[in-house]
Amino acid sequence: AQTVTQSQPEMSVQEAETVTLSCTYDTSENNYYLFWYKQPPSRQMILVIRQEAYKQQNATENRFSVNFQKAAKSFSLKISDSQLGDTAMYFCAFSTNSGYALNFGKGTSLLVTP
Amino acid sequence: DGGITQSPKYLFRKEGQNVTLSCEQNLNHDAMYWYRQDPGQGLRLIYYSQIVNDFQKGDIAEGYSVSREKKESFPLTVTSAQKNPTAFYLCASRMGGGAWNEQFFGPGTRLTVL
Repeated sequence: AQTVTQSQPEMSVQEAETVTLSCTYDTSENNYYLFWYKQPPSRQMILVIRQEAYKQQNATENRFSVNFQKAAKSFSLKISDSQLGDTAMYFCAFSTNSGYALNFGKGTSLLVTP
Repeated sequence: DGGITQSPKYLFRKEGQNVTLSCEQNLNHDAMYWYRQDPGQGLRLIYYSQIVNDFQKGDIAEGYSVSREKKESFPLTVTSAQKNPTAFYLCASRMGGGAWNEQFFGPGTRLTVL
């Protein structure tokens, strides 16, 4: 079975601080892709960052970066200089070349406070 | 503007009725997906289609049906066989070529059974 586990249902961080959201996954595939999606209160899903499993270098997109540990099957998201607009539900997901659909975790609700 | 549209935004259904959720994209994407979102459950795959006139069941296809007669359109019918249809439904599309490509999501339809 291919599963994604997000062990933190809710998190809170103060504006300008750094927060890390955890994600672990399980797959028997060797070639796969990892994603973090953001769902703000509008409920529109937005891609935050993605990582190819065969690339060792961690992906970075402005204030967002990942810590990808392939052997541990871990894919955490770090948000630096948190902003009020980062308040959202964050979903970790992965996709393989078998069907290409996304397997999602249950999400982490992040609240950024002033 | 290119994107994905879903209609209606809110839908109410009486028990025993079939209802159809619309999903249209003008991104010229090959693949389209339907996900169901329940509180605390993340997103779960209902059906997906990688090409016109072809589609596959996802993890929770029972009680749902789809069609893909046109590249731009992928409607989802929630039948009376679906025992607990109240949920938020998200449609997505993706360019062909591999699992790396981003899935773009529509704004969603909230279905409530009365």
